[in-house]
Amino acid sequence: EIVLTQSPGTLSFSPGERATLSCRASQSVSSTYLAWYQQRPGQAPRLVIYAASSRAAGIPDRFSGSGSGTDFTLTISRLEPEDFAVYYCQYYGSSPMLTFGGGTKVEIK
Amino acid sequence: QLQLQESGPGLVKPSETLSLTCTVSGDSISSSNKYWGWIRQPPGKGLEWIGTIYNSGSTYYNPSLKSRVTISVDTSKNHFSLKLNSVTAADTAVYYCASDINIAWFYFWGQGALVTVSS
Repeated sequence: EIVLTQSPGTLSFSPGERATLSCRASQSVSSTYLAWYQQRPGQAPRLVIYAASSRAAGIPDRFSGSGSGTDFTLTISRLEPEDFAVYYCQYYGSSPMLTFGGGTKVEIK
Repeated sequence: QLQLQESGPGLVKPSETLSLTCTVSGDSISSSNKYWGWIRQPPGKGLEWIGTIYNSGSTYYNPSLKSRVTISVDTSKNHFSLKLNSVTAADTAVYYCASDINIAWFYFWGQGALVTVSS
């Protein structure tokens, strides 16, 4: 079973700064099946990135994803006020099975 | 645009069965080749995938919940459902329904429904 680790649990930034979020898999995984979601307080998750680096429909180009093997990254180039939220990585593996990371909260410094 | 809406009791007693329905609008379950899933989130915690069903009726469940979960589709009502039996307080969560044409992630989400397990 794949375990996704997102650390640290909270990151603090000022608006306009660049944010880099980490997602580490317990074993090498296919980047084809790695996704990222944004969840604002009281809202449902929103798909941001799929297949590790493809932006979902309606997602601004300040969001980008990268990585391979066990290490994946979500980058927000210039934080806007609406970007402060919790971000989850998610992997689709064999069985089939969907696994979520524990999440990283991006908060205002 | 596909829209999803969860509905069902907000309070369930321990040992009973949790039942939720996700009503689909903007698309037809019977004719769209999509995956329909359920995900839950305990208060203040992270996301947990419960299971997914495909139009053909194929179902995929989280192994940790498989013995208690049933997901089904009712094409006549254009909705799909979740049943989770023998619930305990640990099943208290916001339950989301979701959908996508790809099995590996979900683009469309409902707003979520809080279900509390308590006597």
